[in-house]
Amino acid sequence: DAKTTQPTSMDCAEGRAANLPCNHSTISGNEYVYWYRQIHSQGPQYIIHGLKNNETNEMASLIITEDRKSSTLILPHATLRDTAVYYCIVRANAGNNRKLIWGLGTSLAVNP
Amino acid sequence: EPEVTQTPSHQVTQMGQEVILRCVPISNHLYFYWYRQILGQKVEFLVSFYNNEISEKSEIFDDQFSVERPDGSNFTLKIRSTKLEDSAMYFCASSEGAGRWDEQFFGPGTRLTVL
Repeated sequence: DAKTTQPTSMDCAEGRAANLPCNHSTISGNEYVYWYRQIHSQGPQYIIHGLKNNETNEMASLIITEDRKSSTLILPHATLRDTAVYYCIVRANAGNNRKLIWGLGTSLAVNP
Repeated sequence: EPEVTQTPSHQVTQMGQEVILRCVPISNHLYFYWYRQILGQKVEFLVSFYNNEISEKSEIFDDQFSVERPDGSNFTLKIRSTKLEDSAMYFCASSEGAGRWDEQFFGPGTRLTVL
């Protein structure tokens, strides 16, 4: 089973920031937090990942709490094309256990 | 930008037939994966492959499934005798497998329909 919990759905107005929360209270010290998204029926797309420091790339920012039990993915200026299901996944980056275990994610609707 | 490709995009087959789904991972990647997603359900891990052997597999990946890297570029998933419940989107993914930036890149998927 997935080690994360996310809200089932969220709405956001176009041009505003979308803040997607994720709880991962049982995360281990060597596990990273990954975010992926899936636009309707397409292959999942990697967004960002981090261990304990906040991370930013051209797509999004990832804020991880100091105790690492939760995180927030921020899409700074959401567009209609950001409408998708967003998945928060925890996983270690070493050894042969590299599978991603998927939950149901958060269905984000960006509205005009 | 390099990408994972998959063929065919849609495969229709009769129950009991064998199917082979094909993937071309990103060229310098070392880890390869197959996932599937039954319509309306979660993405499920099937198998990972590294150094020409299976490194991990799920309970779904039983004797009816096999994977192969027949040459330096292709990575295939074979289902020997398809069942109705094998109908799903099948996604191939690959990753560099080194260091901190081990994100998996996914292909567009093959929709398998078993009749």
